[in-house]
Amino acid sequence: DQQVKQNSPSLSVQEGRISILNCDYTNSMFDYFLWYKKYPAEGPTFLISISSIKDKNEDGRFTVFLNKSAKHLSLHIVPSQPGDSAVYFCAASGRNSGNTPLVFGKGTRLSVIA
Amino acid sequence: KAGVTQTPRYLIKTRGQQVTLSCSPISGHRSVSWYQQTPGQGLQFLFEYFSETQRNKGNFPGRFSGRQFSNSRSEMNVSTLELGDSALYLCASSLGAAEETQYFGPGTRLLVL
Repeated sequence: DQQVKQNSPSLSVQEGRISILNCDYTNSMFDYFLWYKKYPAEGPTFLISISSIKDKNEDGRFTVFLNKSAKHLSLHIVPSQPGDSAVYFCAASGRNSGNTPLVFGKGTRLSVIA
Repeated sequence: KAGVTQTPRYLIKTRGQQVTLSCSPISGHRSVSWYQQTPGQGLQFLFEYFSETQRNKGNFPGRFSGRQFSNSRSEMNVSTLELGDSALYLCASSLGAAEETQYFGPGTRLLVL
């Protein structure tokens, strides 16, 4: 049973436009959410996180939105750049429920076309 | 600060052999987690160690084991290798427990022939 789902395996966006990557979760105990970016043959790189007490967190071109009632989060990248082309993983954990490791989605491959 | 390091980066083994992978966390980080990544499967959690104790274990057979040393360095071992064990093995460290933000190493690419 997948607790974290990224339903779009791939996404193509034109350079300069907005990229929106989506993630759904099922476990209501999750209260901390992260996005990682991964290039081929490298380990995932931490991008941005959000705690369940917030509904938005911004860091430069990256913004994560959390909708707790819908158990949904999204990552917005504006403007998209060719260097953003990578696989993006959504992850979740239950910090306050303790002893729960990060659970990852299967990833979305983003291609930014120049 | 140096990042998470993993050795070796690439490994070729044959079925039935065993393998040991090593991970050195970021200095000061006490938690080390291991993941297996195969095409289309995302990151599958193997286990987590915190202060030399295994805190969590994923749904993998007993052929997969690990340990953590007093300096927080960790090793994972896979015995009796199978073809399906071919994957990228990733190690991640976090300051405290694994539910915190984890920082990943470059991974060890294992090919089982």
